[in-house]
Amino acid sequence: GESVGLHLPTLSVQEGDNSIINCAYSNSASDYFIWYKQESGKGPQFIIDIRSNMDKRQGQRVTVLLNKTVKHLSLQIAATQPGDSAVYFCAESNTGGFKTIFGAGTRLFVKA
Amino acid sequence: ETGVTQSPTHLIKTRGQQVTLRCSSQSGHNTVSWYQQALGQGPQFIFQYYREEENGRGNFPPRFSGLQFPNYSSELNVNALELDDSALYLCASGPSGRGTDTQYFGPGTRLTVL
Repeated sequence: GESVGLHLPTLSVQEGDNSIINCAYSNSASDYFIWYKQESGKGPQFIIDIRSNMDKRQGQRVTVLLNKTVKHLSLQIAATQPGDSAVYFCAESNTGGFKTIFGAGTRLFVKA
Repeated sequence: ETGVTQSPTHLIKTRGQQVTLRCSSQSGHNTVSWYQQALGQGPQFIFQYYREEENGRGNFPPRFSGLQFPNYSSELNVNALELDDSALYLCASGPSGRGTDTQYFGPGTRLTVL
């Protein structure tokens, strides 16, 4: 069946360091991938997305990498800040589809 | 803030009861999706409404039903509540019903079934 999984359930980084959160997906038909950030008591917040015709996309302090060969997605956060502490979800969808499939999430702890 | 609002914030029900959760979409959006998020897990897709019609459904039983109104606000109804229905229920709105739309989530309704 379809699944979007994450390699690590928790990640702890020092403030100022770079963070890398990894994700594996299994649905070859997915052509749109999204990273969400969820803080306690809030709904998921869109961070960055990438389509399958790209392998890298950069935002403000964030970069998403897509490796379709091994069905792997990663989120890189530069100069991680305490405000980055949250649960991060990767999600997948496809053009013409209606369903977004979320992974289980990775909790990021930022140590001051 | 996404402009998507949900009510109520918290709700406690007993097994067998029925519940209605409400969502107001972001202005200009005609699509709403509902998700169930159990504690410590990612959101699970329940269904999507596009211009007042159900556009697709996940693996949830028929006792989960919904409505979308002409102003694109939406309701999620759950009948015959079970203990496992305890979760955070999220709605997300989008501009066009396409799978590649950016979805904007509300803060969720925390449902506890006793």
